[in-house]
Amino acid sequence: SQELEQSPQSLIVQEGKNLTINCTSSKTLYGLYWYKQKYGEGLIFLMMLQKGGEEKSHEKITAKLDEKKQQSSLHITASQPSHAGIYLCGADVGAQKLVFGQGTRLTINP
Amino acid sequence: EPEVTQTPSHQVTQMGQEVILRCVPISNHLYFYWYRQILGQKVEFLVSFYNNEISEKSEIFDDQFSVERPDGSNFTLKIRSTKLEDSAMYFCASSEYLFRNQPQHFGDGTRLSIL
Repeated sequence: SQELEQSPQSLIVQEGKNLTINCTSSKTLYGLYWYKQKYGEGLIFLMMLQKGGEEKSHEKITAKLDEKKQQSSLHITASQPSHAGIYLCGADVGAQKLVFGQGTRLTINP
Repeated sequence: EPEVTQTPSHQVTQMGQEVILRCVPISNHLYFYWYRQILGQKVEFLVSFYNNEISEKSEIFDDQFSVERPDGSNFTLKIRSTKLEDSAMYFCASSEYLFRNQPQHFGDGTRLSIL
C-alpha cells in the first residue's frame, strides 16, 4: 500500500518568513493533492499536481512535484497569519481513493 | 462557490446506538466519499460511491457501516451499532468526474462522540 510521509510534523515561523513543507511517497505518485485543514474544520483543496516537474502557484503558495514523481513540496512565501493551519498531502491510489500524510501543523507568530 | 455540507456538526451517541451522518454533495458531482479522522491520526478513506453503488471500501468499512443516496441530493453514512472506537471526525467529499485525478471537495465534517 502507498504511504505518504510529511516533514516537518510541525513548524513555527515568524510572520513574513518563507517556509517549505515536504511530502514523500513510498510509490510513484499519479496525482498529488495539497489540502489545508483549519483546526477542527474540513479540508480545503489547494492544488493538484500530476506531471513530473509540474509546478503550480496560487497567491503566495507554490507546490511542486519532482521529476521522479515521488516527492512534492509546498512553499509559502512571506507567510501571514491566515496561512496557519494543518497542511495535508494526499495521493490518488486509484478508484478515486485518497491516501493522506499525517499533516504538518503550521503556526505563524506575529 | 458550491460546497459540500454536512449535518450535524457534532453528534453524541451512546455505545450500541445507531447513528446516521448526513451530507449534501456539490450538485453536479458524480462521485461521493466518506473519510474519517480519529483524533491525532491520519485522515482515512472509508468508502467511495458512484451510480448508487459502492465503488471501493476500506477494511474499516465493515458490516456495521452502510451508505445510501436516499434522494437526488443527500448522501448518508450509517453506523448500525456504534463502538467507542468509532469516535472520530467523519468527512464527506465529492468529485465531479468519473476519471482519475479530479480534486475531491470536502465538507466541514461531523464530530462523532461515542459514550
